[in-house]
Amino acid sequence: ETGVTQTPRHLVMGMTNKKSLKCEQHLGHNAMYWYKQSAKKPLELMFVYSLEERVENNSVPSRFSPECPNSSHLFLHLHTLQPEDSALYLCASSQEVLAGDNEQFFGPGTRLTVL
Amino acid sequence: KNEVEQSPQNLTAQEGEFITINCSYSVGISALHWLQQHPGGGIVSLFMLSSGKKKHGRLIATINIQEKHSSLHITASHPRDSAVYICAVLNGWDSGGSNYKLTFGKGTLLTVNP
Repeated sequence: ETGVTQTPRHLVMGMTNKKSLKCEQHLGHNAMYWYKQSAKKPLELMFVYSLEERVENNSVPSRFSPECPNSSHLFLHLHTLQPEDSALYLCASSQEVLAGDNEQFFGPGTRLTVL
Repeated sequence: KNEVEQSPQNLTAQEGEFITINCSYSVGISALHWLQQHPGGGIVSLFMLSSGKKKHGRLIATINIQEKHSSLHITASHPRDSAVYICAVLNGWDSGGSNYKLTFGKGTLLTVNP
């Protein structure tokens, strides 16, 4: 257990559905992240939050909408996704936004399949 | 854009062998991160370093900033070390948040046979 939990662990959705992924960290960290890992591709950083404020958005399509209501919770709202969005979505947290020796702690991921 | 290359892509070893995984990058960085990903997807952060060498148990990570290269070593390898090892480089960070880039390598699949 890393102290970062994600729900659901698996999700199957149609292209017209709206769903949300949830991440919670019990580590007292100030920074949280969403990553995407597609089959046979490197990890991609999607969003970075520091103290509930979005500080990085790496050209992610608007059908992915993050929300950070407090420093312990992070959501990823999904709307009208495409089959190519099927991937493992990982949440992580760190004490401060990545710099120097700031280690990240990862959740187990949500395996998303878009039909 | 920083290009991150890991080698080898696949590595098979016998239990007890000394393992080395390499990571090279093309643009100067502020920090480098080694991660371990087990089957099923769970990721564990192994090291984050910006210079020199770090050791944790049987794992050692080194970085040479001038040569833009890092190595991850595993001593006395064990089947439970079987996983994908991922290198990621961080290109700076400023308070404005406009220069924050984390680039990942494709990973090295390590299989340690008993």
